[in-house]
Amino acid sequence: DTAVSQTPKYLVTQMGNDKSIKCEQNLGHDTMYWYKQDSKKFLKIMFSYNNKELIINETVPNRFSPKSPDKAHLNLHINSLELGDSAVYFCASSSSGQAIWWDGYTFGSGTRLTVV
Amino acid sequence: TQLLKQSPQFLSIQEGENLTVYCNSSSVFSSLQWYRQEPGEGPVLLVTVVTGGEVKKLKRLTFQFGDARKDSSLHITAAQPGDTGLYLCAASNDYKLSFGAGTTVTVRA
Repeated sequence: DTAVSQTPKYLVTQMGNDKSIKCEQNLGHDTMYWYKQDSKKFLKIMFSYNNKELIINETVPNRFSPKSPDKAHLNLHINSLELGDSAVYFCASSSSGQAIWWDGYTFGSGTRLTVV
Repeated sequence: TQLLKQSPQFLSIQEGENLTVYCNSSSVFSSLQWYRQEPGEGPVLLVTVVTGGEVKKLKRLTFQFGDARKDSSLHITAAQPGDTGLYLCAASNDYKLSFGAGTTVTVRA
């Protein structure tokens, strides 16, 4: 019973390709996020959706397009992949739109994207 | 500019030793969280601290929130190899959770 599940776990692709990462949560949470973790392990938020509405877009290149068909799913599509896109991408969810003090984020196990 | 600065970046100790990880900021937070991330997995919430001066204990882990709510520390007593991982502090800012750069802790058997 995985709370936040991402697929695929690993993704190796060539520069210029388009790829998607899928995320689903079964926690009944209202808000979902995409984070990028670089090679130095720094976690940076990319997007946040609350009840299917985009609420945070952290100056991510428009090659990255999130889509939330319903509040349990948040997918990430990346066009024209570049070498610098190589990283681990994490999906997360929380029970409200604010990172209020009693909320924690539940993370998926990540998708390691390697662009060659 | 990073909101939260963690130190040290790396820490390698022998089993049974104690360690402390620090998280500092110039900003005041209403709350601060600590997460642990193991290789190949996502971060997992350990604790949330809310009140200035608060101390929370989770078995051998002790978390402290500074009186001014600008800093926090995580102390592990008698570390075990199972404590190995990346420790991240995080705080809420503008409706999102921002993370420190993390401290990689390695406990050698």
